[in-house]
Amino acid sequence: EDQVTQSPEALRLQEGESSSLNCSYTVSGLRGLFWYRQDPGKGPEFLFTLYSAGEEKEKERLKATLTKKESFLHITAPKPEDSATYLCAVQAMRSYKYIFGTGTRLKVLA
Amino acid sequence: DSGVTQTPKHLITATGQRVTLRCSPRSGDLSVYWYQQSLDQGLQFLIQYYNGEERAKGNILERFSAQQFPDLHSELNLSSLELGDSALYFCASSLSGNEQFFGPGTRLTVL
Repeated sequence: EDQVTQSPEALRLQEGESSSLNCSYTVSGLRGLFWYRQDPGKGPEFLFTLYSAGEEKEKERLKATLTKKESFLHITAPKPEDSATYLCAVQAMRSYKYIFGTGTRLKVLA
Repeated sequence: DSGVTQTPKHLITATGQRVTLRCSPRSGDLSVYWYQQSLDQGLQFLIQYYNGEERAKGNILERFSAQQFPDLHSELNLSSLELGDSALYFCASSLSGNEQFFGPGTRLTVL
């Protein structure tokens, strides 16, 4: 069964304290792995798409990496405005279905 | 602002009723996606349409149906509503499928 598991469920960081969020996945053929950011009461906002193991993408303080079993979202020197829920999703190759994880709630303290 | 619009913003109805949620995609986007987000189940993919045709189906109940019209807007119909259908319903659109742009959502409350 296709599945996405994110850890930790919640994370509190001090401003400037770097860390990583994990997304483990099981899918019958990976079409793509996606990271989104979601603020309370709003729709998710696209961050990255990764397609193959070894691929990396960066945007400001965020860097996403992909292996055959998991993806990491590295946050370097986070700021309070990085506080949000970060969602990971995979798209299955044959069915085109999207499977989302339950997210990591990140709180960055000033 | 993602460019995706959803109406209504809020909807309160009773069990057994039927409602229609509407989504207008970003200009030029051919794909529309529907998602359900509840506190206990996270974001669940329901269905995707591409240029009027169904492309992918997720965990969509038989009581739910959707369609995409020639002008590319989409509607999600929910019938025989149950208390458990209360959730945020998001629509998203994309051109290539690599990047989805989400609307602000419709909050459905079933009493």
